Amino acid sequence: AQSVTQPDIHITVSEGASLELRCNYSYGATPYLFWYVQSPGQGLQLLLKYFSGDTLVQGIKGFEAEFKRSQSSFNLRKPSVHWSDAAEYFCAVAPMEYGNKLVFGAGTILRVKS
Amino acid sequence: DSGVTQTPKHLITATGQRVTLRCSPRSGDLSVYWYQQSLDQGLQFLIQYYNGEERAKGNILERFSAQQFPDLHSELNLSSLELGDSALYFCASSVAAQETQYFGPGTRLLVL
Repeated sequence: AQSVTQPDIHITVSEGASLELRCNYSYGATPYLFWYVQSPGQGLQLLLKYFSGDTLVQGIKGFEAEFKRSQSSFNLRKPSVHWSDAAEYFCAVAPMEYGNKLVFGAGTILRVKS
Repeated sequence: DSGVTQTPKHLITATGQRVTLRCSPRSGDLSVYWYQQSLDQGLQFLIQYYNGEERAKGNILERFSAQQFPDLHSELNLSSLELGDSALYFCASSVAAQETQYFGPGTRLLVL
């Protein structure tokens, strides 16, 4: 079935530690790929996107993501987490065959402990 | 601040009622999208408009309808409301029909 999977519902990391949030998708052609962040009571903020080209993309707030075609993955990383990064993170894809609608993963809630 | 505005921020209403959610896209954006975020369904695409025309439809209920006006703002109409319609409704906009979407702050709807 066509889907976007974020296998980790919750992740807790210590402040200053590195972070990796996983995202896998299952669509025929490589879709456009996105990561959004949602702070409590807030809307969705775009962190970064991948359309084509360099498979390592840089985003805002020190985040980066790597597209791996062979694994159908688009994992989000940050080398050193700050307490303000605590939020819910959503991976989203825009499958080519479905126009520009975004299909979201279930989200990963990040907790940062001091 | 994404530049997308949504009103109202919060809405409390009763079952069977009808409400209208409003969205103003970023300046210059022609495409508007509506999404529903609920605890059980997650984030779901409802409908897309591009320059006043419906472009794509998702799992939008027949009780729901939307339109985009000549000034490009959009309204989502929800009627015969049920308890299960309680959710956060997001609007997003993009420059063209296939570009990056920027989200508004959402309207939180509570149906009692």
